[in-house]
Amino acid sequence: AQKVTQAQTEISVVEKEDVTLDCVYETRDTTYYLFWYKQPPSGELVFLIRRNSFDEQNEISGRYSWNFQKSTSSFNFTITASQVVDSAVYFCALSEASGGGNKLTFGTGTQLKVEL
Amino acid sequence: EPEVTQTPSHQVTQMGQEVILRCVPISNHLYFYWYRQILGQKVEFLVSFYNNEISEKSEIFDDQFSVERPDGSNFTLKIRSTKLEDSAMYFCASTQGRSNQPQHFGDGTRLSIL
Repeated sequence: AQKVTQAQTEISVVEKEDVTLDCVYETRDTTYYLFWYKQPPSGELVFLIRRNSFDEQNEISGRYSWNFQKSTSSFNFTITASQVVDSAVYFCALSEASGGGNKLTFGTGTQLKVEL
Repeated sequence: EPEVTQTPSHQVTQMGQEVILRCVPISNHLYFYWYRQILGQKVEFLVSFYNNEISEKSEIFDDQFSVERPDGSNFTLKIRSTKLEDSAMYFCASTQGRSNQPQHFGDGTRLSIL
């Protein structure tokens, strides 16, 4: 069965600090997909990134970067020079290719608070 | 950019009543989903739908729930005989293809059962 663990319930940082959100996953599939979603206070779910299990290249998009390590089953998310607008709940999610319905299994989320 | 649209944004219903949550997925998407998020908790998968039938459902999705695509654009979630514990945010999502495609979520319907 697939499982996603986000051990950090809440993180508080001061603006301009770097912050890393941890994500550890479990799956028996060899082909799977990992995602990060952002849920701002307004409540919607915003897609940030998708990674497939065959691509371990790290990715950078502006102030965001992701570190995928199959050896430790982790897919961590780093925000560089955090801003107040980054305050949100961030969810890591997993989808197995063998699943007929492609369901997303979400972690419990990490609440990020960025203060001035 | 195309969006997934959900209506209503907030629904208040008496316990025991039936409720229908509506979604308009992105037009060229083929896979549709419902998720639930109880306040302060994680997002939970309910059901996936493809080619006019359910492709997968969770343990949460029991006989109380049903989904339908009544026409070419709408995708609905019906909850019969609502209970207090059905109070949650319900998200609709759609994707063009299978698991290598990101699911695009609507803004959600907040369901409050009194």
